[in-house]
Amino acid sequence: GNSVTQMEGPVTLSEEAFLTINCTYTATGYPSLFWYVQYPGEGLQLLLKATKADDKGSNKGFEATYRKETTSFHLEKGSVQVSDSAVYFCALRLALSNTGNQFYFGTGTSLTVIP
Amino acid sequence: DTEVTQTPKHLVMGMTNKKSLKCEQHMGHRAMYWYKQKAKKPPELMFVYSYEKLSINESVPSRFSPECPNSSLLNLHLHALQPEDSALYLCASSQQIDYEQFFGPGTRLTVL
Repeated sequence: GNSVTQMEGPVTLSEEAFLTINCTYTATGYPSLFWYVQYPGEGLQLLLKATKADDKGSNKGFEATYRKETTSFHLEKGSVQVSDSAVYFCALRLALSNTGNQFYFGTGTSLTVIP
Repeated sequence: DTEVTQTPKHLVMGMTNKKSLKCEQHMGHRAMYWYKQKAKKPPELMFVYSYEKLSINESVPSRFSPECPNSSLLNLHLHALQPEDSALYLCASSQQIDYEQFFGPGTRLTVL
């Protein structure tokens, strides 16, 4: 079946540390891949996306590369800030012939950045 | 206008009440979605509307009743809910059903 697996959290880092949140996927077909961020008490915001193999999505210093050979889409940031504290969701979207598209979310990884 | 708005922000209701959640977008998107999110869990898809027609209903109990009166509005009518229905209800929209989704801030629902 189709699914997304994220690294377990919570993750706690000091300000300016390097961040990696691992995400791997299983999919039939050719998915698009996304990272969403959810700040406390808010809805989800699209952080970045990649629609085909070897694409790199980037936004606000975050990056992720669509690796088809390893079925991965790991999120990275070189220097985190306190304001990056949030829950990060990896997701994939598949176009399904009978129902349009379907989103599959990972379980989320909570990040806390301490000053 | 590039956002999805949801009202109310918070809602507390009893198990015998009838209430509605509202979602609005003015981006010209033709697909709209309802998700349910429990604490520390990912969002779970409930309903998808495409061109104001119900496209996907993910086996949601009938106490949740969606309505799409026009292309900008999406409602979720609630009746006879259970305490376990307490959650954050997220609305999203996309240009069409195969495009990326934009989420609203959610309605925090508590059922007593």
